[in-house]
Amino acid sequence: EAGVAQSPRYKIIEKRQSVAFWCNPISGHATLYWYQQILGQGPKLLIQFQNNGVVDDSQLPKDRFSAERLKGVDSTLKIQPAKLEDSAVYLCASSFDVEVRTDTQYFGPGTRLTVL
Amino acid sequence: DAKTTQPPSMDCAEGRAANLPCNHSTISGNEYVYWYRQIHSQGPQYIIHGLKNNETNEMASLIITEDRKSSTLILPHATLRDTAVYYCTLNYGGATNKLIFGTGTLLAVQP
Repeated sequence: EAGVAQSPRYKIIEKRQSVAFWCNPISGHATLYWYQQILGQGPKLLIQFQNNGVVDDSQLPKDRFSAERLKGVDSTLKIQPAKLEDSAVYLCASSFDVEVRTDTQYFGPGTRLTVL
Repeated sequence: DAKTTQPPSMDCAEGRAANLPCNHSTISGNEYVYWYRQIHSQGPQYIIHGLKNNETNEMASLIITEDRKSSTLILPHATLRDTAVYYCTLNYGGATNKLIFGTGTLLAVQP
């Protein structure tokens, strides 16, 4: 079974530029998550989708971050404009069904973003 | 804020059992304990989870105290490839299935 795919693996941009990350979840997984992991910290949830609807985006900085999952499969996370403090690893995870009480999340390899 | 507390680092000799503790004294009755690990430059990898009873799978064992305020992850025969940051987290479940990670324990397996 293929895992969660993410691209690109690395990205370097200047501050105030825009950037987008792509995620393809495990086949058949209805729920998709985006996490931000700053160096030395654990992952922090940014947004959670159930199919193509948003379940939780309370930690997403909506003035600069946006995410979509138009067809309930792939997802894109965008930052516009980027700030220095956005430098982090952006992780995508998926799980089969959020309605299942113990729904294990499986993570992709992440995209390492450096903002100069 | 993370609701789990873990030691920042631990060492273990290769071939010996690694016992990683986690404190979750404010856990509520329906919260599951999840363990993940993160090897350098990779995404977190699921290890095991449990509610009340001890659990075992091919990777590890999870021991949860009777009052559920703490747990221990046991890697029975640690290898160099087990060197990683280990996260103990709680599944808040409900509508969001949210995981809140702390800073984890860096386990260094020594040859």
